[in-house]
Amino acid sequence: AQKVTQAQTEISVVEKEDVTLDCVYETRDTTYYLFWYKQPPSGELVFLIRRNSFDEQNEISGRYSWNFQKSTSSFNFTITASQVVDSAVYFCALSEARRGDDKIIFGKGTRLHILP
Amino acid sequence: GAGVSQSPSNKVTEKGKDVELRCDPISGHTALYWYRQSLGQGLEFLIYFQGNSAPDKSGLPSDRFSAERTGGSVSTLTIQRTQQEDSAVYLCASSLGQGTQYFGPGTRLTVL
Repeated sequence: AQKVTQAQTEISVVEKEDVTLDCVYETRDTTYYLFWYKQPPSGELVFLIRRNSFDEQNEISGRYSWNFQKSTSSFNFTITASQVVDSAVYFCALSEARRGDDKIIFGKGTRLHILP
Repeated sequence: GAGVSQSPSNKVTEKGKDVELRCDPISGHTALYWYRQSLGQGLEFLIYFQGNSAPDKSGLPSDRFSAERTGGSVSTLTIQRTQQEDSAVYLCASSLGQGTQYFGPGTRLTVL
């Protein structure tokens, strides 16, 4: 069965610190997609990244980086030199390609507080 | 057009009344989703439309909830005889394929 676990419910760090948000997933499929979404206090979910299961290359986008490791079924998200504007709830999600649809299973989210 | 839009942004209603929430997906997106997010909670899947296929209603919490999608575009989520536990933010998303969903700003529903 599909499952996404974000064990960290809430994290607080001081501005400029690095922080890593953990995501562990379960799937029986060999082809799947992994996502991260950001939900700032305004409430709207913002798409951050999509990775397919065949691409384990880590990705960096500015201060954001993602570490995809199939061996541990993890897709962790790191924010370097955090800023107050990074404060938000971050959701990890999984979609199985064999389903033939676009249904995504979301984790319960990690609430990140960046303290000034 | 631009992104996914939803209306109203806020809705306050009395217990027992019916409400309709509207979602305008991104033009050309074939898939449309409704989710519910209670205060401080994660996303609860409600219903999914894909093209002309029968919708996946597996997430609807009760028969008071229904949704339709007219012309493969705009969708309306209807909640009949609202209860206080229906209070939440209702989020709509659309996608073109390969899983990436783009979300609207949500409708905050408060049932008094």
